[in-house]
Amino acid sequence: AQKITQTQPGMFVQEKEAVTLDCTYDTSDQSYGLFWYKQPSSGEMIFLIYQGSYDEQNATEGRYSLNFQKARKSANLVISASQLGDSAMYFCAMREAQNQFYFGTGTSLTVIP
Amino acid sequence: EAQVTQNPRYLITVTGKKLTVTCSQNMNHEYMSWYRQDPGLGLRQIYYSMNVEVTDKGDVPEGYKVSRKEKRNFPLILESPSPNQTSLYFCASKGGSGRAYNEQFFGPGTRLTVL
Repeated sequence: AQKITQTQPGMFVQEKEAVTLDCTYDTSDQSYGLFWYKQPSSGEMIFLIYQGSYDEQNATEGRYSLNFQKARKSANLVISASQLGDSAMYFCAMREAQNQFYFGTGTSLTVIP
Repeated sequence: EAQVTQNPRYLITVTGKKLTVTCSQNMNHEYMSWYRQDPGLGLRQIYYSMNVEVTDKGDVPEGYKVSRKEKRNFPLILESPSPNQTSLYFCASKGGSGRAYNEQFFGPGTRLTVL
């Protein structure tokens, strides 16, 4: 079974609108971490946000928030007020208890002016 | 400037010719890791290291070797490269405490082509 599943290969959003990128995960560990990374066309990997499995509140970092639903094993990324510079590939990732990381296949986000 | 550096950034080689991709970080991080990125597959972890002399296999370790003799360096070795190892390779590190512990810093990537 896939450890991280991102079911949206591509998404479009109008500038200034909010967008949700989906991510589901699969683990039997009690302690784990969930991450989102952004990869612009230039290729670098940029850390966006982190959610620990024991964190009761959803993580937020500026315009990014992580909608963590533990029972559903989902960790969706919400980007509010989209900007043209948000156009990029977005990867969901999970760190299991032994510090092994798993990444999803990514979602390509295009922000339309 | 805090950073992870990789060399070379681009490499074209032939099947069977041993190569090493270097990775170095200046943040005194304990954890270092190698990933490969292939179209449609996302990033897959090759090897990781929790500290000096401690390395563990990731999801796709076959055909690769690593060593961690110093905290700052974590080279990736391909003893006998094959065309299916053509990929974009990323090195990453993380450390510190509190929230900073969870942020993984990535190098700029090494694009490897094996002919």
